[in-house]
Amino acid sequence: AQTVTQSQPEMSVQEAETVTLSCTYDTSENNYYLFWYKQPPSRQMILVIRQEAYKQQNATENRFSVNFQKAAKSFSLKISDSQLGDTAMYFCAFMKQRNSGGSNYKLTFGKGTLLTVNP
Amino acid sequence: EAQVTQNPRYLITVTGKKLTVTCSQNMNHEYMSWYRQDPGLGLRQIYYSMNVEVTDKGDVPEGYKVSRKEKRNFPLILESPSPNQTSLYFCASAAGQARGGTIYFGEGSWLTVV
Repeated sequence: AQTVTQSQPEMSVQEAETVTLSCTYDTSENNYYLFWYKQPPSRQMILVIRQEAYKQQNATENRFSVNFQKAAKSFSLKISDSQLGDTAMYFCAFMKQRNSGGSNYKLTFGKGTLLTVNP
Repeated sequence: EAQVTQNPRYLITVTGKKLTVTCSQNMNHEYMSWYRQDPGLGLRQIYYSMNVEVTDKGDVPEGYKVSRKEKRNFPLILESPSPNQTSLYFCASAAGQARGGTIYFGEGSWLTVV
């Protein structure tokens, strides 16, 4: 079974600064996806960024980027130029790739990191 | 617009009164799933469906039923709700992983059982 660990229950950052959220995972799979989801106070789950494990290049989406270290099973999220609207709970999630056998598109989530961006 | 739509969004019900939370997606996705979110536990999968008439249990299926008679709909049924099913529920869908495997979530349904 897969596990996802987010070791920082809460973090805060000043507006316009950079913050990094940590995530580690445990799996014996070689082919999988990793995700960061954002959950603002509205509680909607919003996909921030996705990484395919077979890709060595780190994913980037505007101000959001990841540092994917497959050997270390680490998947951190960096938010640059933090904005007040980035205040949210952030979840790291793991999903086996379907051709890994038995994958049911199940996302295994960490417990989340509550990020507060201060003005 | 690509959407996963859940109804109702908010519901307070009494113990034992059967209820159904509907979920519909307009993206022709094969895969659909239900999750529940509880404080300190993250999201946990309740049931999933890989296609019409194909459903299976997730990690926390007790007390729930599902059906998948049409590709677009995947209702969650609570036959006899209990207070421990008070939670925030999310429906999700995805296309085949050849198209990226990205999961799309509905807006969530707050359920309180008293």
